[in-house]
Amino acid sequence: SHVLTQPLSVSVAPGKTARITCGGKDVGSKSVHWYQQKPGQAPVLVIYYDDDRPSGIPDRFSGSNSGDTATLTIRRVEAGDEADYYCQMWDDNSDHPYVFGTGTKVTVL
Amino acid sequence: QVQLVQSGAEVKKPGASVKVSCKASGYTFSSNGISWVRQAPGQTFEWMGWITPYSGDTKYELNLQDRVTLTTDTSTSTAYMELRSLRPDDTAVYYCARDASAYDISVADYWGQGTLVTVSS
Repeated sequence: SHVLTQPLSVSVAPGKTARITCGGKDVGSKSVHWYQQKPGQAPVLVIYYDDDRPSGIPDRFSGSNSGDTATLTIRRVEAGDEADYYCQMWDDNSDHPYVFGTGTKVTVL
Repeated sequence: QVQLVQSGAEVKKPGASVKVSCKASGYTFSSNGISWVRQAPGQTFEWMGWITPYSGDTKYELNLQDRVTLTTDTSTSTAYMELRSLRPDDTAVYYCARDASAYDISVADYWGQGTLVTVSS
């Protein structure tokens, strides 16, 4: 079954760019979604199907997916972007098809 | 606007069962599936299963399929998750999430507020 590995933490200064990776064997052949979770709150979908953005999500958020790595990019980082971020994919060929990443804490310096 | 409102926190003893509800509003309930996902303290998420009110079809995580049952009541636009034979490691926040499709698992686009289930003797 797939394991999606993310860095434990990413630190970024306001106004700079944060990149969060999600690594897994051949993840580029699957669709990846990204969720933002702030402390004590439910997750919010920020990117779906690799690079689509739900309405209401700023265009500072973007995604890509190729090979063994999917990436969430947050440009012009703001203090309000500080949160945990999780990738997720569905692989119906797996015994455990609905997989979440290990999660990344984004800290805005 | 789409809203999923879950039932309140529960405290259960090992071996007991829990049933969490998720009342949907702001969209046509039968037009979207519902996934259930849990998050143990300080951990990532674990998918538990999916149900579509459209047909009642279900899919379950292999490790939980013997202990979990998902149902829906279309008359009240409510989804339910029942977990049996509770163990202390079932302690987690349980979320329902609307799926973008009624026909198969796609993406969870709206989430409920979560329900804390604590299993302790």
